[in-house]
Amino acid sequence: EAQVTQNPRYLITVTGKKLTVTCSQNMNHEYMSWYRQDPGLGLRQIYYSMNVEVTDKGDVPEGYKVSRKEKRNFPLILESPSPNQTSLYFCASSLSFSGANVLTFGAGSRLTVL
Amino acid sequence: AQSVAQPEDQVNVAEGNPLTVKCTYSVSGNPYLFWYVQYPNRGLQFLLKYITGDNLVKGSYGFEAEFNKSQTSFHLKKPSALVSDSALYFCAVRVLYSSASKIIFGSGTRLSIRP
Repeated sequence: EAQVTQNPRYLITVTGKKLTVTCSQNMNHEYMSWYRQDPGLGLRQIYYSMNVEVTDKGDVPEGYKVSRKEKRNFPLILESPSPNQTSLYFCASSLSFSGANVLTFGAGSRLTVL
Repeated sequence: AQSVAQPEDQVNVAEGNPLTVKCTYSVSGNPYLFWYVQYPNRGLQFLLKYITGDNLVKGSYGFEAEFNKSQTSFHLKKPSALVSDSALYFCAVRVLYSSASKIIFGSGTRLSIRP
């Protein structure tokens, strides 16, 4: 089944404890992206990647890191999480960054930082 | 600034009645427009998109959307609502630059269909 898989789905952590949210897609998509969803703010883009080894900042990149060493994986790293990073996170991918390609989303990762 | 607006946080409709979820955009260039739906505890799912051509676009689950260039709007519609349509709906616009692409999402509209 074509899908985007995120892990963990739920996580409670404490301020300053490094964590990684993994994202993997099995559709050979070039474009991958991370979003956070907060009430009243919709989805805001954190980082995106147009292909392997090519990443760029989205609208809210502060406090996050990403890497794209393989085409299928695009982990989101929080080096020193803070309470304002408590949110619902989504990974998404599409065939390429051009045209009207549709995004396929993961099921989401709910993160709470105490 | 480029943006997408969904002016209604919530829309309430009785089952069987028509529904409209509004979306307006402000972008430079020719946008590609999308609607996505989010059911509880799920990721977003694609509903429909407008690229070019016919202003009325048909999508999944009986939904359609009307593109209006002069009003810069892309409203989502359905002739007869179902209780199962209750969900969070997002309008999005994909803007292409010379070497990059940006997707802007609206803030979302919660659709509630009462039996």
